[in-house]
Amino acid sequence: GAVVSQHPSWVICKSGTSVKIECRSLDFQATTMFWYRQFPKQSLMLMATSNEGSKATYEQGVEKDKFLINHASLTLSTLTVTSAHPEDSSFYICSARDAYRGNTIYFGEGSWLTVV
Amino acid sequence: EDQVTQSPEALRLQEGESSSLNCSYTVSGLRGLFWYRQDPGKGPEFLFTLYSAGEEKEKERLKATLTKKESFLHITAPKPEDSATYLCAVLRDDYKLSFGAGTTVTVRA
Repeated sequence: GAVVSQHPSWVICKSGTSVKIECRSLDFQATTMFWYRQFPKQSLMLMATSNEGSKATYEQGVEKDKFLINHASLTLSTLTVTSAHPEDSSFYICSARDAYRGNTIYFGEGSWLTVV
Repeated sequence: EDQVTQSPEALRLQEGESSSLNCSYTVSGLRGLFWYRQDPGKGPEFLFTLYSAGEEKEKERLKATLTKKESFLHITAPKPEDSATYLCAVLRDDYKLSFGAGTTVTVRA
């Protein structure tokens, strides 16, 4: 079946550095991908919508300069957390829409970010 | 505004004890209703998509049904490995998902 892959699964970085998370749709082309953040025991919080070939649209309250999103191809979107701080530590999850399978949205495995 | 409400919030079952989870929704136009399973520390795993009232889908011990106002996820003879949080979400016109808060299912052996 359709699979969305995220990399890395977990990452530790130093405060002030930047870290990139990749999201790939493995067997379908995704014109739209989404990035979420999830805190323990809470629901997924949508951060931004990534459209291939155009600028991402961010949800209210999400800093676009801090969370850079690039959707350079139909199978790859990246989230870069710039100048990371400990409060950015979280579980980040991407998803991708398969327009040819009834717009089913598949999620990646998630990426744990710890900023020290 | 779209609203998705899941109940109960938590469900504790004995192995083999069948039960149902509820997802009620109000949307301006339903593009699809999704069920996902999420294990701790992992991304949601896709289970089903339902598009129109009367539709049913099955996968192993799980069966999802859809009416005009709600969806049910039936778990038949659950096993401990069915323990997870089950998420319901509706697909909006802008292709974003509106999620319910989830139902955490615990199945005891």
